[in-house]
Amino acid sequence: EVQLVESGGGLVQPGGSLRLSCAASGFTFSSYWMSWVRQVPGKGLEWVANIKEDGNDKYYVDSVKGRFSISRDNAKYSLHLQMNSLRAEDTAVYFCATYTGSRRGFDDWGQGTLVTVSS
Amino acid sequence: DIQMTQSPSTLSASVGDRVTITCRASQSISYWLAWWHQKKPGEAPKLLIYKASILESGVPSRFSGSGSGTEFTLTISSLQPEDFATYYCQQYNSYPITFGQGTRLEIK
Repeated sequence: EVQLVESGGGLVQPGGSLRLSCAASGFTFSSYWMSWVRQVPGKGLEWVANIKEDGNDKYYVDSVKGRFSISRDNAKYSLHLQMNSLRAEDTAVYFCATYTGSRRGFDDWGQGTLVTVSS
Repeated sequence: DIQMTQSPSTLSASVGDRVTITCRASQSISYWLAWWHQKKPGEAPKLLIYKASILESGVPSRFSGSGSGTEFTLTISSLQPEDFATYYCQQYNSYPITFGQGTRLEIK
């Protein structure tokens, strides 16, 4: 059974940094693209970033380019999102997900972790 | 960027009704479209349809999707109580991956 468990969320001041992690199990992690998707409380879903199986290709939504960095450790079955220069509008629940662009798009999702950017 | 526009934003219906939600893309996305069901904000959404018309395994057959290019529809043939939720379309034809703004389906 695929399991994705996010961690690292919390309260951070504007301009601060936070590192989210996603622990994966139940599948061959190194065979999948991975994604971060977020949802502002009470609002819609927004894709944030994708990373290729080997970590060599990365894509970001414009609003986080230069501030967020997606990475992965295939040996440890983990995905990360380093978030710097955080803004109030980054407040959201962040989900990690597996991604198969040639099939279903986003496949399995974690339960999400809440990031709150506030002074 | 490809913009996804759903209509309506809110839909009131009753159990047993047939409902249709429309999703329009600002440019052609072929069939690279998925439909999602989210019961509560902040919870992981559930995949209903991918590649515009393929029903995800385990999803009831009352759900169906159609369309290609720029116009797509999600139809629920006979609403059940568990179907009252928010629905999102999402394109994965090109980056950035984008979602529609959502359609809230509420009980009339």
